[in-house]
Amino acid sequence: GAGVSQSPRYKVTKRGQDVALRCDPISGHVSLYWYRQALGQGPEFLTYFNYEAQQDKSGLPNDRFSAERPEGSISTLTIQRTEQRDSAMYRCASSPSMAGELFFGEGSRLTVL
Amino acid sequence: GQQLNQSPQSMFIQEGEDVSMNCTSSSIFNTWLWYKQDPGEGPVLLIALYKAGELTSNGRLTAQFGITRKDSFLNISASIPSDVGIYFCAGENNAGGTSYGKLTFGQGTILTVHP
Repeated sequence: GAGVSQSPRYKVTKRGQDVALRCDPISGHVSLYWYRQALGQGPEFLTYFNYEAQQDKSGLPNDRFSAERPEGSISTLTIQRTEQRDSAMYRCASSPSMAGELFFGEGSRLTVL
Repeated sequence: GQQLNQSPQSMFIQEGEDVSMNCTSSSIFNTWLWYKQDPGEGPVLLIALYKAGELTSNGRLTAQFGITRKDSFLNISASIPSDVGIYFCAGENNAGGTSYGKLTFGQGTILTVHP
């Protein structure tokens, strides 16, 4: 597809399990961003990459959260030992340049029981 | 951290009416952006503002970057049913050529347009 693709679209997991969320950016886009959006709120920055380099991870809530983009294309956001408070919509966005418009994906909705 | 206060939280208007919403911040931003989010979709950029005092239009949309760099507003003229959605303001601090795309979003304004 032409847009940012995220999978899974929906994930329900039990507390304590690890989850991995995948983002496939628009082909050729240099920058990739992860945001988290709680219900009724705007997206909240988590981390971003230029190519394969993680530039800023100041928005990751704690060390249970990590992200990688090993080949400068697909990215994975991993949450270890999930907690109920991790439940949210996780949105990925990509940009054609380091100073360009962000194109958001449809998101992965995570529910932790 | 930085906070953006967006108002109103929701608006119910008749088709054809004009709409105005605004965003204020306790901190300075050097870029202001306005996004629209439709149900089940990610936010889509409507207008970007890069200079204090700048007034920019995109069709029926007009947005301004406040002189103090701490506020912005968005106007929609002659609303139509497809304007329904959630509108978000966002600020960016990219001083020194870093942190592009690291946005701080407002809470959103839910717009409902009655035909």
